[in-house]
Amino acid sequence: AQSVAQPEDQVNVAEGNPLTVKCTYSVSGNPYLFWYVQYPNRGLQFLLKYITGDNLVKGSYGFEAEFNKSQTSFHLKKPSALVSDSALYFCAVRALRASGTYKYIFGTGTRLKVLA
Amino acid sequence: GAVVSQHPSWVICKSGTSVKIECRSLDFQATTMFWYRQFPKQSLMLMATSNEGSKATYEQGVEKDKFLINHASLTLSTLTVTSAHPEDSSFYICSAGFGTSGYNEQFFGPGTRLTVL
Repeated sequence: AQSVAQPEDQVNVAEGNPLTVKCTYSVSGNPYLFWYVQYPNRGLQFLLKYITGDNLVKGSYGFEAEFNKSQTSFHLKKPSALVSDSALYFCAVRALRASGTYKYIFGTGTRLKVLA
Repeated sequence: GAVVSQHPSWVICKSGTSVKIECRSLDFQATTMFWYRQFPKQSLMLMATSNEGSKATYEQGVEKDKFLINHASLTLSTLTVTSAHPEDSSFYICSAGFGTSGYNEQFFGPGTRLTVL
């Protein structure tokens, strides 16, 4: 079955330290991968995506993600965390349906807490 | 660019009433719109996919007669929760895609919090 896994419910990191939010996926065909951030009572904001090309993708707010095909992972990273980065982060993959159309499958989310 | 709005941002209604939520793409034509439901501290669950001018495609387990979706134009999709009950209380989020890349990237609305008393 096609799926996305975010193994950590919460990640705590000190401000200024590098952060990593993990994501692994299982999908048919070439993966289209996304990271979104959600602040309380708000919709999702797009951070970055991988469709093809360089395995290291740079996105909004200094975030980047590395696509690793052999490990089927797409971990989100930032070299230096800010308190304002504290939010809920979702990894998503575009999955092919039997009908030939697509849908997005989201991970369960990882709450990032950056401590001052 | 690529802004999606939702209205209302929150709504409280009595059990048994119907509630309509609008999703609009403000600066692009959305050929495909998606409706999600999010429970507290949980991920987004895709409810249905709607294409302009055609019937929505509902995910397994989502009641079509309960959650009516209309995608009447390229900039507007509506979700009507009919005869709402407390268990329908949730955060509803729409997203929109456009053109041939409609499934390559989605732009999300800010969400609507529905509380059914």
